Amino acid sequence: AQSVTQLDSHVSVSEGTPVLLRCNYSSSYSPSLFWYVQHPNKGLQLLLKYTSAATLVKGINGFEAEFKKSETSFHLTKPSAHMSDAAEYFCVVSDSFQKLVFGTGTRLLVSP
Amino acid sequence: DTEVTQTPKHLVMGMTNKKSLKCEQHMGHRAMYWYKQKAKKPPELMFVYSYEKLSINESVPSRFSPECPNSSLLNLHLHALQPEDSALYLCASSPEYRPRADTQYFGPGTRLTVL
Repeated sequence: AQSVTQLDSHVSVSEGTPVLLRCNYSSSYSPSLFWYVQHPNKGLQLLLKYTSAATLVKGINGFEAEFKKSETSFHLTKPSAHMSDAAEYFCVVSDSFQKLVFGTGTRLLVSP
Repeated sequence: DTEVTQTPKHLVMGMTNKKSLKCEQHMGHRAMYWYKQKAKKPPELMFVYSYEKLSINESVPSRFSPECPNSSLLNLHLHALQPEDSALYLCASSPEYRPRADTQYFGPGTRLTVL
């Protein structure tokens, strides 16, 4: 069975400081992992995706994530937060041909 | 164009009404999905269509009736809903039904309120 744990329900940062959103996964097989972002009252937008190529994945808007098999982690980072980054972030895993499994989400708050 | 469109943006309906949600994509994708998202929760899969055929129904109540008239269009027909069905309904599409390999592209959603 596959599962995703997002370790923080809320993360608060100041504009211009680094962002770290943590995600751990459990998977029986070699998984695909995704980070999606959802701004208030909007749909989900793909930030980045890991599918067993390079372990460091670069995404849109300066975000990146590193797949660490030994730690079963896929943490999302950004060197410098912007006010527009304030949103809900979902870590998602899929290791089968059935469906995606979503984490519970992390709300990122960015203060000026 | 990586856009999935959904109409209407907002819908308010009574428990005896019949309404429909519409989703459209022109990316040539052959898999389409309906998700339900309650406030402050992740999306939950409801239905999957692959090549216009229903592949997955996640034990959704029959008051929700999906329809895929062609490869670009996905409808969700609503009848006799309950207030607890109020949620954001998201449509998504992907090139094929391969969650591990293919990215799902989401629409902006329809915010449904059942009175």
